[in-house]
Amino acid sequence: DAGVIQSPRHEVTEMGQEVTLRCKPISGHDYLFWYRQTMMRGLELLIYFNNNVPIDDSGMPEDRFSAKMPNASFSTLKIQPSEPRDSAVYFCASASQGGSYEQYFGPGTRLTVT
Amino acid sequence: GENVEQHPSTLSVQEGDSAVIKCTYSDSASNYFPWYKQELGKRPQLIIDIRSNVGEKKDQRIAVTLNKTAKHFSLHITETQPEDSAVYFCAASTGNTGKLIFGQGTTLQVKP
Repeated sequence: DAGVIQSPRHEVTEMGQEVTLRCKPISGHDYLFWYRQTMMRGLELLIYFNNNVPIDDSGMPEDRFSAKMPNASFSTLKIQPSEPRDSAVYFCASASQGGSYEQYFGPGTRLTVT
Repeated sequence: GENVEQHPSTLSVQEGDSAVIKCTYSDSASNYFPWYKQELGKRPQLIIDIRSNVGEKKDQRIAVTLNKTAKHFSLHITETQPEDSAVYFCAASTGNTGKLIFGQGTTLQVKP
């Protein structure tokens, strides 16, 4: 298995632009998580899905952030419009109930908003 | 909601010494406690976990202990090596949602 796949690995954009981050979970996993990591705030859970349905989006910072999971093998996290304070590393992770919820992280997307 | 506190934030040890990182959690319903290691520029990777039905678990040089009464758990690394240098995160979960709440992280430096 290729593990969790994220794209792009690096993204540099200007303030006000739309940013879309992509994630492909491990095949067979029924949970998908989006995290944001910064030096100041550590590792924060933004939103997670179970069987493609959003379960808890309480960590989404504001309406500029949205996430979708149209099918079991693909999810997106969109920021529109982006701001410099959104600069961070965004991780996607997946897990399965059958695997006792052990989360496997993707390589992350480093986002820089100038 | 659940809150996880992790200490210390930084830890420096000499190669060969032991390192201990401690975490406390607030939700008594939590029953799954993983530890992740994150090397610089890399993704967090699970190194060991423990569930509430056991008090201790070992895997070679690393071990985790859990005290449910006091609501704290600890990571123990023995015979530390320079390659153990990384940021370590503890986390807690109620286990029936998959949702993890992470501690703030501990930067471990092992000096050769």
